[in-house]
Amino acid sequence: GQNIDQPTEMTATEGAIVQINCTYQTSGFNGLFWYQQHAGEAPTFLSYNVLDGLEEKGRFSSFLSRSKGYSYLLLKELQMKDSASYLCAVRRLSGAGSYQLTFGKGTKLSVIP
Amino acid sequence: EPEVTQTPSHQVTQMGQEVILRCVPISNHLYFYWYRQILGQKVEFLVSFYNNEISEKSEIFDDQFSVERPDGSNFTLKIRSTKLEDSAMYFCASSSYMLTRDGNQPQHFGDGTRLSIL
Repeated sequence: GQNIDQPTEMTATEGAIVQINCTYQTSGFNGLFWYQQHAGEAPTFLSYNVLDGLEEKGRFSSFLSRSKGYSYLLLKELQMKDSASYLCAVRRLSGAGSYQLTFGKGTKLSVIP
Repeated sequence: EPEVTQTPSHQVTQMGQEVILRCVPISNHLYFYWYRQILGQKVEFLVSFYNNEISEKSEIFDDQFSVERPDGSNFTLKIRSTKLEDSAMYFCASSSYMLTRDGNQPQHFGDGTRLSIL
């Protein structure tokens, strides 16, 4: 089976840096994805890692350690609009040759002034 | 920027009725997916579709569900006889494939259809 864990909620101050952790257990690992989801809206793709290391994309960075089953999303220079849920999702290559995403429950980030 | 579009944005249906949720994936994408999200819960995979057939489906995707690509642009999800527990947000997603080290590309989601069963 698959298991994805991330904190339920976090609070951070505007202008600060926040790190959202995600641990996972899966077979057929084929990448880890981070999505942002505002309440009532669709998940929006932020970043992904297939290989170990850090991927930087503007104010967002994501890190992966496959041996540890661990990833984090780093948000810098926090803005009020960053208040949202951040979804960790593991992509798995199935025996049927297709890809599917398995999502964690999401971390609700509240940015305060 | 190209996007996945879904219609309708909100569908209200009586229990036992059939519903069809419609999606237009990004035009050069080859892989199509349906996910659902019950209010307050996580996003759950339903089905993936490639080369005009289902690639994989979850245990949620039982005989009441079906998918179809009726033409070159639309991708539909049909629920034959809706139940109260089918009330959820249904997201369509699509992705392309590129022969890079990363292989299959990220999935891009539509804005979803909120399905309410009465």
